[in-house]
Amino acid sequence: GQNIDQPTEMTATEGAIVQINCTYQTSGFNGLFWYQQHAGEAPTFLSYNVLDGLEEKGRFSSFLSRSKGYSYLLLKELQMKDSASYLCAVLDSNYQLIWGAGTKLIIKP
Amino acid sequence: IAGITQAPTSQILAAGRRMTLRCTQDMRHNAMYWYRQDLGLGLRLIHYSNTAGTTGKGEVPDGYSVSRANTDDFPLTLASAVPSQTSVYFCASSDGGSHNTGELFFGEGSRLTVL
Repeated sequence: GQNIDQPTEMTATEGAIVQINCTYQTSGFNGLFWYQQHAGEAPTFLSYNVLDGLEEKGRFSSFLSRSKGYSYLLLKELQMKDSASYLCAVLDSNYQLIWGAGTKLIIKP
Repeated sequence: IAGITQAPTSQILAAGRRMTLRCTQDMRHNAMYWYRQDLGLGLRLIHYSNTAGTTGKGEVPDGYSVSRANTDDFPLTLASAVPSQTSVYFCASSDGGSHNTGELFFGEGSRLTVL
């Protein structure tokens, strides 16, 4: 079966760095996505990786290793507004998105 | 620019009743999707439509139906609601042409409670 694993919850301190990991087993691979979802709101697109390596976008970076079925989202200089759930999703060989359950990130002052 | 609009935002429904969740987008995206989101589970695809006039079943289609009469509208109907359909429902769209690009634009969600 297809499976996306990510930690349920993480806690970090304002101003620090946090890494949220995601491992996947899917039928084919056409890209990995990270979405941010604030409580009670809709998910919003953060990043997309299809080739191995690091993609940097401001304070957020996303890494992919296709051979290991692994990705991480790195958040730097954490701000209170970064408190949210972060969803990892993989586009499989049928171009269907397979979603992880999300990682709830709690930022403490 | 409205993006994707869902209605209602919240609804309490008696079991056995029929309910339609509305979804309208103004981005002229070809593909549209309905997901449900439950605590501890990832987003699960209910139905999708790659283009107006076509629909397909997702991971959890039972008890739900959709239609896509035009590009903008993609309503989701629960013919006879059951308590297990209590969930938050998200409509989404993507501008992927013939296939999903993975970059989805979501509506604000419809919180449905079936008693």
